Amino acid sequence: GAVVSQHPSWVICKSGTSVKIECRSLDFQATTMFWYRQFPKQSLMLMATSNEGSKATYEQGVEKDKFLINHASLTLSTLTVTSAHPEDSSFYICSARHRHRGVGNTEAFFGQGTRLTVV
Amino acid sequence: SQQGEEDPQALSIQEGENATMNCSYKTSINNLQWYRQNSGRGLVHLILIRSNEREKHSGRLRVTLDTSKKSSSLLITASRAADTASYFCATGNTGNQFYFGTGTSLTVIP
Repeated sequence: GAVVSQHPSWVICKSGTSVKIECRSLDFQATTMFWYRQFPKQSLMLMATSNEGSKATYEQGVEKDKFLINHASLTLSTLTVTSAHPEDSSFYICSARHRHRGVGNTEAFFGQGTRLTVV
Repeated sequence: SQQGEEDPQALSIQEGENATMNCSYKTSINNLQWYRQNSGRGLVHLILIRSNEREKHSGRLRVTLDTSKKSSSLLITASRAADTASYFCATGNTGNQFYFGTGTSLTVIP
């Protein structure tokens, strides 16, 4: 299957600092990538849909100014957690779909996730 | 809530037994997919079933979909210890988004 690479896989940062997480599709182009958040022993919550060349679409309740998303190219989306606080500590996972396989009818490929700990 | 519900939340079986997990969702869908997640890791796609399909097989996996009841089930036959993981259903709509169910934690005892 297609490969989605997420970096870093693990990061600890101080409260008040910002952290950038990268999501790359290594062997395919993805016009759309998705960012999820997962708390321990819970499901994945969709945070936002990242569209190449345009603004991200955020789910209700997700702070746009706190979770900045940039989809600079067909293979890279970044999530920046700004002014991080301990309650932002979580597992963040991105996913991507093939550019040419239509909408809503294909599997998504997931990165391995980034575990963020804010101290 | 964007989430569907899965049951059971946790399931513990002996190796060789079958495991059945259920997923219920709330809105109209284009497709429903099942994913597996090992602890603290990313997700692995298992199987996709489209809204006009009722049953699908892949190896030891069997998925059913009942759109009238807005529910799906995942059956893993002849379970193995390596099947121990969390399993999530995810519904795809006419847009691009996936919404995940609450997940079932499966433990297969050797």
